[in-house]
Amino acid sequence: RKEVEQDPGPFNVPEGATVAFNCTYSNSASQSFFWYRQDCRKEPKLLMSVYSSGNEDGRFTAQLNRASQYISLLIRDSKLSDSATYLCAVNIRGRDDKIIFGKGTRLHILP
Amino acid sequence: DVKVTQSSRYLVKRTGEKVFLECVQDMDHENMFWYRQDPGLGLRLIYFSYDVKMKEKGDIPEGYSVSREKKERFSLILESASTNQTSMYLCASFAGGLAASPRSPSYIRGGEQYFGPGTRLTVT
Repeated sequence: RKEVEQDPGPFNVPEGATVAFNCTYSNSASQSFFWYRQDCRKEPKLLMSVYSSGNEDGRFTAQLNRASQYISLLIRDSKLSDSATYLCAVNIRGRDDKIIFGKGTRLHILP
Repeated sequence: DVKVTQSSRYLVKRTGEKVFLECVQDMDHENMFWYRQDPGLGLRLIYFSYDVKMKEKGDIPEGYSVSREKKERFSLILESASTNQTSMYLCASFAGGLAASPRSPSYIRGGEQYFGPGTRLTVT
């Protein structure tokens, strides 16, 4: 099992719909979790951190499920401008602290 | 806002050339990273540094070296560029974790990273 896995998509979703995607991680020692957004030919930008209690920022909600070892990102009332690739990132504690990025999920919002 | 800048957006070099990619951050961050991003492979960590003159290998350090002489600047060096090093190179910085020392058990290395705009390097 890969350390961090995401469905590459693309997810093609009509404008205004709600979309959710998950990111699974294999290392139970993982401590911190993040969602990044990356537009085509641009750098990744931090979208939100994922806290144990879950967190919400406007139309975006991030959840952590430690028992099943995945994080999720929910986007409500999707906009055309939400079209991007969404990368999850997991900080893995241990002798070699490191952060692992998923390969990303592509989202296309359709007009 | 954190600003991370990279010296070039696009670069074309010939096989065998020595290539320098520069990254500068203006937020006094201790940690800096170099990644490459390729289609289907995602972001892969090349090297990182948690302090001036400190460096550690990432997952794919072969063919690369780094230099961190000043806190704000982290350079990636391709000693002898090869065509398989054609890629998008991304620099990132990060303030640090719960403790000051990266050797502390509570230190979280590499979470909320801020990326530069990237350098698209083509080696011909």
